[in-house]
Amino acid sequence: AQSVTQPDIHITVSEGASLELRCNYSYGATPYLFWYVQSPGQGLQLLLKYFSGDTLVQGIKGFEAEFKRSQSSFNLRKPSVHWSDAAEYFCAVFNTNAGKSTFGDGTTLTVKP
Amino acid sequence: NAGVTQTPKFRVLKTGQSMTLLCAQDMNHEYMYWYRQDPGMGLRLIHYSVGEGTTAKGEVPDGYNVSRLKKQNFLLGLESAAPSQTSVYFCASSWTAYQPQHFGDGTRLSIL
Repeated sequence: AQSVTQPDIHITVSEGASLELRCNYSYGATPYLFWYVQSPGQGLQLLLKYFSGDTLVQGIKGFEAEFKRSQSSFNLRKPSVHWSDAAEYFCAVFNTNAGKSTFGDGTTLTVKP
Repeated sequence: NAGVTQTPKFRVLKTGQSMTLLCAQDMNHEYMYWYRQDPGMGLRLIHYSVGEGTTAKGEVPDGYNVSRLKKQNFLLGLESAAPSQTSVYFCASSWTAYQPQHFGDGTRLSIL
């Protein structure tokens, strides 16, 4: 069965520091991959997606993610975190065989001043 | 730009009561989804629809029913609410199954 793992439940970084959120998936074929962000009291918003091509994808709000097939990973990065980045982040994978997406359990990001 | 609108935003029910959550999208999307979000459990798919008049079960469908009589609306019903259904419910829509999903702001439902 397909699964998505976000190993870090909670991450705290200082404002201005770099950020990397991890996402691993188990899926045989090349998946369609997504990162979403959820601010408190709101729904999820798409940050970026990977379907094919260049394995380093750029998203909104200065985020990027890199697809590594050999590691079954799609980690989210940002060079310099802002206080407004504090939120919950979800990785998602679309399984072409099942025709459905699966979401990870999320990583909560806290930004220290 | 309304996107996906969920009604109501908050609701408190007593055990055994019924209610319907409404989701409306103005993007002409074919696919619509209902999820529930519980602490530490991410998003779990309740039901989804691949077009007007269609519905299908997701990961946790028990205790819920859905209808999609109009393309823009997707209704989630709780026939006899139980405390285990206390959650935040999110509706989402997308052009196709693999395209990114657009989410509403959620309905916070408490069942006493």
